[in-house]
Amino acid sequence: GQSLEQPSEVTAVEGAIVQINCTYQTSGFYGLSWYQQHDGGAPTFLSYNGLDGLEETGRFSSFLSRSDSYGYLLLQELQMKDSASYFCAVRDLDSNYQLIWGAGTKLIIKP
Amino acid sequence: DSGVTQTPKHLITATGQRVTLRCSPRSGDLSVYWYQQSLDQGLQFLIQYYNGEERAKGNILERFSAQQFPDLHSELNLSSLELGDSALYFCASSVEGYSGANVLTFGAGSRLTVL
Repeated sequence: GQSLEQPSEVTAVEGAIVQINCTYQTSGFYGLSWYQQHDGGAPTFLSYNGLDGLEETGRFSSFLSRSDSYGYLLLQELQMKDSASYFCAVRDLDSNYQLIWGAGTKLIIKP
Repeated sequence: DSGVTQTPKHLITATGQRVTLRCSPRSGDLSVYWYQQSLDQGLQFLIQYYNGEERAKGNILERFSAQQFPDLHSELNLSSLELGDSALYFCASSVEGYSGANVLTFGAGSRLTVL
């Protein structure tokens, strides 16, 4: 079956670094994506990893290890505006190549 | 503004009724996706269209149907509404998408409340 696991909630302090992990189980792998969603807002694409390694986009980085079926999103120099839910998503063969989404990690940032 | 337009933004209706949600994809995008998000839940994929053709179906109820028109806008029809259908319905679009896509651009969503 298909499944993605990510922590339901993470708390961090403004200015700090936080890592949100995602493990997945899929049949056929076509990349790991990360999306950000503020309360009441729309999901916004953050990052994509198709191959192993680290992808960096400003304060955000995403990592993938296909052999471990594992990835993470790293957020540096946390700002209050980073308070949001973060979703990992994987494209899956069994779901006809559609994105399968994790349940989301709520990031709470304290001043 | 993401470029994906959804209407209406909010909709309140009664059980047993029928509603239509509308989506215009970002200019140049051929694929449209519909997702349902219940309170504090993840996104559930409903259906995808690519250039007018249905490409993939997810957990879409038989009471729900969708279509994509020649101008590429899409409509999601929800009928015989139940209380449990109350949710945020998102439309997303992508440039690629004949076989899905990793990068989706989402609209602001339509919040449906069934009373």
